[in-house]
Amino acid sequence: DSGVTQTPKHLITATGQRVTLRCSPRSGDLSVYWYQQSLDQGLQFLIQYYNGEERAKGNILERFSAQQFPDLHSELNLSSLELGDSALYFCASSVGAGSGTDTQYFGPGTRLTVL
Amino acid sequence: QQQVKQSPQSLIVQKGGISIINCAYENTAFDYFPWYQQFPGKGPALLIAIRPDVSEKKEGRFTISFNKSAKQFSLHIMDSQPGDSATYFCAASNKAAGNKLTFGGGTRVLVKP
Repeated sequence: DSGVTQTPKHLITATGQRVTLRCSPRSGDLSVYWYQQSLDQGLQFLIQYYNGEERAKGNILERFSAQQFPDLHSELNLSSLELGDSALYFCASSVGAGSGTDTQYFGPGTRLTVL
Repeated sequence: QQQVKQSPQSLIVQKGGISIINCAYENTAFDYFPWYQQFPGKGPALLIAIRPDVSEKKEGRFTISFNKSAKQFSLHIMDSQPGDSATYFCAASNKAAGNKLTFGGGTRVLVKP
């Protein structure tokens, strides 16, 4: 158990809908990262927050957005869902903003299925 | 642009054998190279990591070899056990760009008893 929690574990929804994925980082960790894992794209970095502020952005679609709250939990919002958005979404957390060697601890993931 | 290329995609090894997974990167600014292990239904977990100023790092049965000039690094799993059956991902990050990880495509390892 990494100490990172994600809810829900599974999410099934229809095209065009909007969903929110939630992540609670390990106690003491200030950084939260979101990754998408799909069969064709592999594991891809989406976005990072550090202590409430956006720190780095990756291949995140404009239909997706995220935020980190004062209690450090984070939410990833996916809107106007398409079939291709079906994937595993992982949250990871680390202590710092990115010293380059900060270990990232991954949560168990949320499996999103768009029908 | 795939910045970290990983091979092979899958690997079958007998119990007690050596598993070798290779990765090559393009971005010379990468300065941290971790390997993650992922079991079905679980998130990736850090296995071992190396900085480019070191050519080899060993932790138990797991060893990373790093060749900076060739921009390649590899994971060796010695005395492979059935419990090592998992998907392994190499990754790289650049301190100047924060801590975001760029992952290889993954290698599914099956250790036969």
